[in-house]
Amino acid sequence: GAGVSQSPRYKVAKRGQDVALRCDPISGHVSLFWYQQALGQGPEFLTYFQNEAQLDKSGLPSDRFFAERPEGSVSTLKIQRTQQEDSAVYLCASSREQALTQPQHFGDGTRLSIL
Amino acid sequence: AQSVTQPDIHITVSEGASLELRCNYSYGATPYLFWYVQSPGQGLQLLLKYFSGDTLVQGIKGFEAEFKRSQSSFNLRKPSVHWSDAAEYFCAVGAQGGSYIPTFGRGTSLIVHP
Repeated sequence: GAGVSQSPRYKVAKRGQDVALRCDPISGHVSLFWYQQALGQGPEFLTYFQNEAQLDKSGLPSDRFFAERPEGSVSTLKIQRTQQEDSAVYLCASSREQALTQPQHFGDGTRLSIL
Repeated sequence: AQSVTQPDIHITVSEGASLELRCNYSYGATPYLFWYVQSPGQGLQLLLKYFSGDTLVQGIKGFEAEFKRSQSSFNLRKPSVHWSDAAEYFCAVGAQGGSYIPTFGRGTSLIVHP
C-alpha cells in the first residue's frame, strides 16, 4: 500500500482480556517500530524489527507485551491480560533501512481503551 | 542517554502571525534532530530533519528549524501560520552512530485563532 496501515483503529477491551494489534508496513521496508503514546505525551519506543528479527524489545513494559513479524512484513503487537494502564495509542512506523537517516513513516495508530 | 525537552505544552497564535516552537535536547555529541507534526487521530508526519551541515534546515509546509549547538536547541519556526497548522508538534533526537531509536519530546499543542 501507499502508507503504513494499522488495524483496528479503535479497540475497547475489558481488563484481563488479550488484544492483538496489526501493522502493515510500506512494502519493502526493512525496519519496523512499535511505539506507545499515552494521552498528552510523545511516542515511547516499545520494540524494533529488522525484517523478521526482533532486534530490540527493551521498551516493552512487561512480559504481557509480545510482538512478532514472522515473515518480515506484517507485524502484530499482542497484549495479554490487559490492564487499565495499557490504555494508549499504539503507533507503528516503518523505514527503508535501519538508520536514523532514513525517515520513519507512521501509521495512524490504534487507540486502545481498557475498561 | 539522549533526552528532549519541549517547554511549552500549548502555544496559541493568530492566523498570519509568526511561530516559534522550542526544543532543547541533551546528548553528548552531535545529534540527529527531527520535528514531526501530528493531526488529531493521525500518525506523525516528518516536517524536517537535521543531520549535519547547514544549521538552518528547511522543511515541508513552510517550516524551518535552526540547530544551535551552543544552546542545545532546535527550534521550529514559521513566518506566517495558517489555520491548518493547528496540530501537535514533536521534537525528537537520535544519536549519530549510536542507537537508531529516536527519543521524542512530550509535544507542543499549537492552537491557531482566526
